[in-house]
Amino acid sequence: DQQVKQNSPSLSVQEGRISILNCDYTNSMFDYFLWYKKYPAEGPTFLISISSIKDKNEDGRFTVFLNKSAKHLSLHIVPSQPGDSAVYFCAAKGETSYDKVIFGPGTSLSVIP
Amino acid sequence: GAGVSQSPSNKVTEKGKDVELRCDPISGHTALYWYRQSLGQGLEFLIYFQGNSAPDKSGLPSDRFSAERTGGSVSTLTIQRTQQEDSAVYLCASSPGGGNNQPQHFGDGTRLSIL
Repeated sequence: DQQVKQNSPSLSVQEGRISILNCDYTNSMFDYFLWYKKYPAEGPTFLISISSIKDKNEDGRFTVFLNKSAKHLSLHIVPSQPGDSAVYFCAAKGETSYDKVIFGPGTSLSVIP
Repeated sequence: GAGVSQSPSNKVTEKGKDVELRCDPISGHTALYWYRQSLGQGLEFLIYFQGNSAPDKSGLPSDRFSAERTGGSVSTLTIQRTQQEDSAVYLCASSPGGGNNQPQHFGDGTRLSIL
């Protein structure tokens, strides 16, 4: 049973436009959410995170929105750049340090020049 | 470098052989994770070590899989009697752990191919 879902396996966006990647989760005990970016043949790298006490966190071109009542979060990238083409993983964990991080299946983003 | 280091980067072996994959986490990180990514799939959680606590082994797919973390640092993931379905990229990650949420730092993985 997948606790973190990313229902879009892939997404194509024109350069300069906004990319919106979506993530849904089922476990209401999740307290901390992260987005990772992965290029081929490399490990995932951390992009941005959000705690459940917030509904928005922004870092440059990247913004994460959290809707706890809907158990939904999204990553907005604006403007999108060709170098953003990668697989994006949504991840979640509970509030204690003993809670493990659970990843979604990923969304492959292609930014078309 | 100061990142998570995994070895070997690639491993090809025959079905039925045992393999050992190694992970050197970032110095001082108390939390260590193993994940695997099969072709076209997401990151599948395998096992989690946090400090001196008993590891969370809930993601290990069978008893052929085991992992150790010696001295709270280096970790070894062992797969016995490998099967073709074990072919995947095995990723290790570490984080500072403790009471604060901190993102994980990943190694570049070991690509395991079972012939």
